[in-house]
Amino acid sequence: EAGVVQSPRYKIIEKKQPVAFWCNPISGHNTLYWYLQNLGQGPELLIRYENEEAVDDSQLPKDRFSAERLKGVDSTLKIQPAELGDSAVYLCASSSLAGASYNEQFFGPGTRLTVL
Amino acid sequence: AQSVTQPDIHITVSEGASLELRCNYSYGATPYLFWYVQSPGQGLQLLLKYFSGDTLVQGIKGFEAEFKRSQSSFNLRKPSVHWSDAAEYFCAVGLTDSWGKLQFGAGTQVVVTP
Repeated sequence: EAGVVQSPRYKIIEKKQPVAFWCNPISGHNTLYWYLQNLGQGPELLIRYENEEAVDDSQLPKDRFSAERLKGVDSTLKIQPAELGDSAVYLCASSSLAGASYNEQFFGPGTRLTVL
Repeated sequence: AQSVTQPDIHITVSEGASLELRCNYSYGATPYLFWYVQSPGQGLQLLLKYFSGDTLVQGIKGFEAEFKRSQSSFNLRKPSVHWSDAAEYFCAVGLTDSWGKLQFGAGTQVVVTP
């Protein structure tokens, strides 16, 4: 069974440029998470989807960050424009229905973003 | 405010020696507790979790963790480490007032020496 797929794995851009990250969750997982992981820190939740609905986006900086999961399967996280402080690893995770219990979250390998 | 503390940023251990990683949490209720491992260039993998019941939890790769309510701790242990255990380990708390949201500690980097 394929795991959570993320692309690209690495991205280097100049500040003020846009960037997008893509995530394909494990088949059948209806809950999808985007996390931000700064160097030397644990992941921090940016947004959580259940199917197409963003049920928790309270930590997403909406002035420059956006996300979508149009068909309830794969998802895209976008930053426009990128700032130097956005350099980090962006992790995607998925799980089966989260509403009933804390089901295991399966993580992708992440996208390492460097903003110059 | 809720918090998860991993007091040790970095631990060096000899292969074959025992390992204990500390995790303390601050939360009003008994949370759901998790330990994840992250190897270089890879995503996080769940080692074990505690929801309720027996406070000693067995996980994968020979790891175990003990929940101690009185100390608000959930320490991870392994009796004999292998070189492949070198990785970063994260403790996480599942918040019951924000269902599905995990709060992670800052992580402990484990180095295994021959």
